[in-house]
Amino acid sequence: GESVGLHLPTLSVQEGDNSIINCAYSNSASDYFIWYKQESGKGPQFIIDIRSNMDKRQGQRVTVLLNKTVKHLSLQIAATQPGDSAVYFCAENRPPLQGGSEKLVFGKGTKLTVNP
Amino acid sequence: DTGVSQDPRHKITKRGQNVTFRCDPISEHNRLYWYRQTLGQGPEFLTYFQNEAQLEKSRLLSDRFSAERPKGSFSTLEIQRTEQGDSAMYLCASRNRVSGELFFGEGSRLTVL
Repeated sequence: GESVGLHLPTLSVQEGDNSIINCAYSNSASDYFIWYKQESGKGPQFIIDIRSNMDKRQGQRVTVLLNKTVKHLSLQIAATQPGDSAVYFCAENRPPLQGGSEKLVFGKGTKLTVNP
Repeated sequence: DTGVSQDPRHKITKRGQNVTFRCDPISEHNRLYWYRQTLGQGPEFLTYFQNEAQLEKSRLLSDRFSAERPKGSFSTLEIQRTEQGDSAMYLCASRNRVSGELFFGEGSRLTVL
């Protein structure tokens, strides 16, 4: 099925280190991208977004980088904390195709484990 | 709490039974989505409503699945004659404008025995 690719299923870091989670997307027409965090048994929670006319956006402890040339997205988390342990998904917003609708398409996710 | 609520949070049923899930989106959001998520996978798009109109259904949505949003507010997702392969988390999400953030509910986890 259609999907955004995420090729590193797990990432383990030490508390206080910086984390980088990568994502490759497939559709060059995608105009908006979101990173979600999902804790066990809960729905995805918005972290940060970026539009296709930008290449970097910063939030509180998080930065998203977008490279449209190679269709690559990354999430950087500074000073990673145990509470950051979760599965992280990137999602691309695909414009509507003929007869279709605009929708978010998700990758498979990366499980981040923060060791104390 | 994102403001999107789903009910029930958990449902265990026997194969062949019908189940219905309800989603109450954020009140001013006119766009509502249903996604399905299986273990270790990202959410997969099922269907989309703009107000009360169902504008797209994924090919994942077999004829045993039906979704409604009768007054453009809450939505229901019904699965008839459930199969073990229907076991998954069913997520509802809403947004209020084009290309905006999707707000997700906590999901309804279905287990079919």
